[in-house]
Amino acid sequence: EVQLVESGGGLVQPGRSLKLSCAASGFTFSNYGMHWIRQAPTKGLEWVASISPSGGSTYYRDSVKGRFTISRDNAKSTLYLQMDSLRSEDTATYYCATDRPTTGIHYWGQGVMVTVSS
Amino acid sequence: DIQMTQSPSVLSASVGDRVTLNCKASQNINKYLNWYQQKLGEAPKLLIYNTNNLQTGIPSRFSGSGSGTDFTLTISSLQPEDFATYFCFQHNSWPLTFGSGTKLEIK
Repeated sequence: EVQLVESGGGLVQPGRSLKLSCAASGFTFSNYGMHWIRQAPTKGLEWVASISPSGGSTYYRDSVKGRFTISRDNAKSTLYLQMDSLRSEDTATYYCATDRPTTGIHYWGQGVMVTVSS
Repeated sequence: DIQMTQSPSVLSASVGDRVTLNCKASQNINKYLNWYQQKLGEAPKLLIYNTNNLQTGIPSRFSGSGSGTDFTLTISSLQPEDFATYFCFQHNSWPLTFGSGTKLEIK
């Protein structure tokens, strides 16, 4: 069974940093691209970043480019999102999700809340 | 960026109804349109991928259709567990984008 468990969220002041982790199990992590998607309170879904299976290719939405870094450790089956220079508009539940070339975003974790506030 | 517009934003229906949810892309996305269901407090779940392919384990009352820019999700006979929010999503080109959702509520 595919399991994705996010951690590392919490309350952080504007301008500070936070690093999210997503521990994967139940599938061969190194074979799958991965995504971070976020959802602000009572809002819709917003794609944030993606990474290829090897980690050699990364993609970001414009509003987080230069501030967020997606990475992975295939030996640990773990996905990361380093978030720097956080803003209030980054407040959201952050989900990690698997990618399959044939289906796009597939399995989702349960999400972790990030609140950016002074 | 490709904008995804869903309609209606809220749909009231009864158990047993047949309902259709719409999703329009601002440009051609070929077949690369997915539908997700999200219940309150839960993560989204993949229902349909690439316009009309039913994800494993999803009931056959769900179906998808469309091409290019116009897509639909149909639920043939609503069940109590289907009342949720549905999002469309395009994975044809970067940045990947979601629709704003259709909330399906009990009439």
